[in-house]
Amino acid sequence: QVQLVESGGGVVQPGRSLRLSCAVSGVPFTTYGMHWVRQAPGKGPEWVAATSYDGKHKYFAHSVQGRFTISRDNSRNTLYLHMDSLRAEDTAVYYCAGGYDALTQYWGQGTLVIVSS
Amino acid sequence: DIQMTQSPSTLSASVGDRVTITCRASQSISGWVAWYQQKGGKAPKLLIHKASRLESGVPSRFSGSGSETEFTLTISSLQPDDFATYYCQQYETYSLLTFGGGTKVEIK
Repeated sequence: QVQLVESGGGVVQPGRSLRLSCAVSGVPFTTYGMHWVRQAPGKGPEWVAATSYDGKHKYFAHSVQGRFTISRDNSRNTLYLHMDSLRAEDTAVYYCAGGYDALTQYWGQGTLVIVSS
Repeated sequence: DIQMTQSPSTLSASVGDRVTITCRASQSISGWVAWYQQKGGKAPKLLIHKASRLESGVPSRFSGSGSETEFTLTISSLQPDDFATYYCQQYETYSLLTFGGGTKVEIK
């Protein structure tokens, strides 16, 4: 059974940091590219960041470049998103997703991040 | 950056109707297009990848077609469970995936 389980969301003040985690099971994690995708309330999905299967290559949306970091621990089948300098416009449900090549085949249930003072 | 322009934004249809949603890419993406269905605060669900390949477990009434810059998702006979929002996505490279603006399929 494929499971992607995000955690770490919550309410955070502008300018602060937060780290999200995604525990993956039921798929060959070490061969999957992995992504973070977010969805603001009432909006469509927005791709945030991606990492290659081995973690050597990382990519970011322009809106988060320089503030967010993506990483993975293949020994723990876990994906991370470290978010610095958070802004109100970063408020969204954050999903982890993954699959072969760049396809977001499997998705987690999401974790809500609210940036508010 | 590759932009995905999806139309229509809203579609009213009845059970049994044939429904078509279109996505236009701002440049050729060689078929690296996926289609997703999203309902009620849940994660998007993959329906179609590589423009026309049906994901395992997805009903055969869903189909995808297109190439280069023009892509379509067709539901051959709309069922009650199909009322949802649909998104196209290009995934040509890891470096910048983009989604279309979405199509909400409503009951007529």
